Amino acid sequence: TQLLEQSPQFLSIQEGENLTVYCNSSSVFSSLQWYRQEPGEGPVLLVTVVTGGEVKKLKRLTFQFGDARKDSSLHITAAQPGDTGLYLCAGGSGGSYIPTFGRGTSLIVHP
Amino acid sequence: GAGVSQSPRYKVTKRGQDVALRCDPISGHVSLYWYRQALGQGPEFLTYFNYEAQQDKSGLPNDRFSAERPEGSISTLTIQRTEQRDSAMYRCASSLHHRSLTSGVSYEQYFGPGTRLTVT
Repeated sequence: TQLLEQSPQFLSIQEGENLTVYCNSSSVFSSLQWYRQEPGEGPVLLVTVVTGGEVKKLKRLTFQFGDARKDSSLHITAAQPGDTGLYLCAGGSGGSYIPTFGRGTSLIVHP
Repeated sequence: GAGVSQSPRYKVTKRGQDVALRCDPISGHVSLYWYRQALGQGPEFLTYFNYEAQQDKSGLPNDRFSAERPEGSISTLTIQRTEQRDSAMYRCASSLHHRSLTSGVSYEQYFGPGTRLTVT
């Protein structure tokens, strides 16, 4: 069974601070997705990483896929209150059509 | 363009009643997934379809839960004889591609707003 562990589970920071959240597994994934979910809404896809060592940037968000494709990180620079939400990572491998979701990191950015 | 829609957004029902939750995926999306999500947690897989075929229903909690997608588009998740423990947020997601396991699978999913089910 593939498992994705996300850390930290909760994060409460002030506007302007930087932060990193992690998504780790003992399994290899063919691709990994990051989603952001705002209160009362469904998860929204942010990015997909596919290649080991890949780095993708989305404005102030930087996503990295580990060289061995077992882990990923999301770094947010100069966090803003609009970044508040639940950040989910999800991964899949060739053995299944069902992605595995992590439990999420709940981020609150205070103005 | 239109995203994934779900109806109703909120459903309150009495224990023992049957409920039907509807999902309308993005047009042209081949795969459709049903999840249950607890507050502040990641989605928990229930079942999924490619076109009209239910490919995996291993996540359905028991035989009171069923799902169908008869024409390969709209899907309905039905819960019979509801119990209080069925109270949850039910979400569906659709995905554009269904590829063979040898050429790669698209795991990118587009989620609907969910149906909040409360069983009293």
